[in-house]
Amino acid sequence: DADVTQTPRNRITKTGKRIMLECSQTKGHDRMYWYRQDPGLGLRLIYYSFDVKDINKGEISDGYSVSRQAQAKFSLSLESAIPNQTALYFCATSDPASSDTQYFGPGTRLTVL
Amino acid sequence: AQSVTQLGSHVSVSEGALVLLRCNYSSSVPPYLFWYVQYPNQGLQLLLKYTSAATLVKGINGFEAEFKKSETSFHLTKPSAHMSDAAEYFCAVSDGSYDKVIFGPGTSLSVIP
Repeated sequence: DADVTQTPRNRITKTGKRIMLECSQTKGHDRMYWYRQDPGLGLRLIYYSFDVKDINKGEISDGYSVSRQAQAKFSLSLESAIPNQTALYFCATSDPASSDTQYFGPGTRLTVL
Repeated sequence: AQSVTQLGSHVSVSEGALVLLRCNYSSSVPPYLFWYVQYPNQGLQLLLKYTSAATLVKGINGFEAEFKKSETSFHLTKPSAHMSDAAEYFCAVSDGSYDKVIFGPGTSLSVIP
């Protein structure tokens, strides 16, 4: 079984809809991250969490919110989706003991019409 | 602020030829440096990382990278390209403060038979 899982893997939605992307991990890491990937821009950090009570904004947090329900679960929400949020979204975990190495989920491809 | 540049958004090589993917970083402190690979429809996975030990780092699948502080570079090489190497490659930097990792824009590698 994969260490980091994301659901759904693909989602098509309409402008204005609320969307939640879910991430679960079995690696036992405290640190979790949400990124979006756009062609030519690499990965950009949306939010990150260093433990259940610690949530931090990344470089592109506007229009997004997160919830850290447990050590193993970190959800990303788009309260009112807009077309420029169409992207590939990745969840990742890391362990400081492994020098910031990040472990990624398979990604969620989100299309906002 | 840290940043990462990758020269060449697309690189094509012939099967059996040398692979060279370029990465330059800016960091005010000795960095941790990473190369990740992303195969189609998958998440990113770690190829190799530099964490202030040996400057020549060997990774999986025959890849290696050399940290050159004077050039602020961490170029990725492989002596002989294989068709299975076709993927997107991302260079990343962390300042080791366990805060967050900055990713470059990525280089898409094509391998021509």
